[in-house]
Amino acid sequence: DAGITQSPRYKITETGRQVTLMCHQTWSHSYMFWYRQDLGHGLRLIYYSAAADITDKGEVPDGYVVSRSKTENFPLTLESATRSQTSVYFCASGTGMNTEAFFGQGTRLTVV
Amino acid sequence: AQSVTQLDSQVPVFEEAPVELRCNYSSSVSVYLFWYVQYPNQGLQLLLKYLSGSTLVKGINGFEAEFNKSQTSFHLRKPSVHISDTAEYFCAVSDYKLSFGAGTTVTVRA
Repeated sequence: DAGITQSPRYKITETGRQVTLMCHQTWSHSYMFWYRQDLGHGLRLIYYSAAADITDKGEVPDGYVVSRSKTENFPLTLESATRSQTSVYFCASGTGMNTEAFFGQGTRLTVV
Repeated sequence: AQSVTQLDSQVPVFEEAPVELRCNYSSSVSVYLFWYVQYPNQGLQLLLKYLSGSTLVKGINGFEAEFNKSQTSFHLRKPSVHISDTAEYFCAVSDYKLSFGAGTTVTVRA
């Protein structure tokens, strides 16, 4: 099916562990984004990518790493998870930085 | 720098009543404006967008929004809500990237 898919949908991990959230889109959109959603903050941009091998920091990048070796994939890695990274993470894609973004279903991550 | 303020964090409303969700933005350049809806345990879905042209924008599910440049607002309205409109609504502004407001939770009661 065409669209944007995230995996896993739910994840529980321990403090200090590395965890990777996956994102895959089938539209061939050049731009991809990672947001985190926290109560009272709306969505905050973590990282974005304008094309394969081009990534840049968003508003809250500390503690996260991204890569984009292929246009369709944009994994987000928490190198050493902390409790403050407990959140719902959304991946999105689009044709530009300032156009509408298409969102995945989200990954609910709990760090214990 | 751009920013978005959603003036109401929660809006309770009775079924078939009208609803208005308020959004103010700040930006130093021309902007694109969006409203998204998030149903429980789902991702965000675009309701409508303003890029240019008519200041009254119609979206899906009977929603509309009006762009007011002088008041830097982009309020969302629906004349008659349904139970199924219970969701969280996000206003977003973009000059070079999307920035989201904190969200407004709409609860529709029978």
